[in-house]
Amino acid sequence: GAVVSQHPSRVICKSGTSVKIECRSLDFQATTMFWYRQFPKQSLMLMATSNEGSKATYEQGVEKDKFLINHASLTLSTLTVTSAHPEDSSFYICSARGDWGETQYFGPGTRLLVL
Amino acid sequence: AQKITQTQPGMFVQEKEAVTLDCTYDTSDPSYGLFWYKQPSSGEMIFLIYQGSYDQQNATEGRYSLNFQKARKSANLVISASQLGDSAMYFCAMSRSRYNFNKFYFGSGTKLNVKP
Repeated sequence: GAVVSQHPSRVICKSGTSVKIECRSLDFQATTMFWYRQFPKQSLMLMATSNEGSKATYEQGVEKDKFLINHASLTLSTLTVTSAHPEDSSFYICSARGDWGETQYFGPGTRLLVL
Repeated sequence: AQKITQTQPGMFVQEKEAVTLDCTYDTSDPSYGLFWYKQPSSGEMIFLIYQGSYDQQNATEGRYSLNFQKARKSANLVISASQLGDSAMYFCAMSRSRYNFNKFYFGSGTKLNVKP
């Protein structure tokens, strides 16, 4: 149980375009979903926390207009990187938490490369 | 401020031996959770084990156990009988109490290499 999927797993796009990443909880309802960014050989950096039906809470220094988060249902959250630039190239990983505990279950991640 | 410290950037262990990965934390919250995750080269984060701050006994999950010393604010992960497949990055994380959506704070990670 507690499976989280993420799509796409890899994406290459041109500078200036927008990219949407989907995060789905497959076998449970996710009370809260989280979006992280990870640079090579570094730890995970929390970008934002999202709850179904409400606006996401962004961490300090994360541009909310750049990284649009939509938590449309209890099983789906999306992250849209708008007007992507090469410095946005990174590994983006989502996690989901059910209402039974604190554990976050992570998706497999999305590797974004902006040319 | 919440802080998680993993002081071992890299560790080596011989196959079939036990290994301890260190994690210390700093928080003023009375209620918190401690977690360990494994991240292989593929990038996925695999949940290993959880310890609640009020749990009296140390958590165990198969070959994983968490050596929780509350007074010392440490939550070390012990892997018994290491296997080649255990080679990966390991992250310690702490969650705050429920009012903050259980946001996680991650340590910098320890890269474990299991030698045959």
